[in-house]
Amino acid sequence: DAGVIQSPRHEVTEMGQEVTLRCKPISGHDYLFWYRQTMMRGLELLIYFNNNVPIDDSGMPEDRFSAKMPNASFSTLKIQPSEPRDSAVYFCASSSIPMGEQYFGPGTRLTVT
Amino acid sequence: DQQVKQNSPSLSVQEGRISILNCDYTNSMFDYFLWYKKYPAEGPTFLISISSIKDKNEDGRFTVFLNKSAKHLSLHIVPSQPGDSAVYFCAATSEGNTPLVFGKGTRLSVIA
Repeated sequence: DAGVIQSPRHEVTEMGQEVTLRCKPISGHDYLFWYRQTMMRGLELLIYFNNNVPIDDSGMPEDRFSAKMPNASFSTLKIQPSEPRDSAVYFCASSSIPMGEQYFGPGTRLTVT
Repeated sequence: DQQVKQNSPSLSVQEGRISILNCDYTNSMFDYFLWYKKYPAEGPTFLISISSIKDKNEDGRFTVFLNKSAKHLSLHIVPSQPGDSAVYFCAATSEGNTPLVFGKGTRLSVIA
């Protein structure tokens, strides 16, 4: 298995632009998670899905953030409009069991100037 | 309000010696704990876990100890190797009920 795939690996954009991050989970995994890692806050959960349905989005910082999972093999995290404080590494993870071991993708490093 | 705390941002250990990484938690409902290891430019990878019904779990050079009364767990690496240099995250959950809550991580440097 290729593991969790994320694209792009790096994204540099200007403030106000729309950013879309993509994730392909491991086949057969029913749970998908989006995390954000910053120096100040560490690794924080933004949203997670079970069987393509959003279960908990309480970690999404603002309405500028949205996430979708149109099918079992694809998810997106969108930021519109982006701001410099959104600069961080965004990870996608998937798992086959509810709240145990998760498999992380390599992350997308987002820089908003 | 941090429910999982890793109070040491960094740790430096000589090769061959023991590395001890600590983690404290505040939520008494947590009953399953995990350690993840992260290399630069990669995602975290699962290392070892422990259920609250145990106080120790061992996997090769890695051992996790859980002290429920103190709400404290630690990861021991013996002997430490240069390849162990990474950021280690502690995570906790109320099994089957809540998402993982991660600490901020401890950067381990193993010096040859």
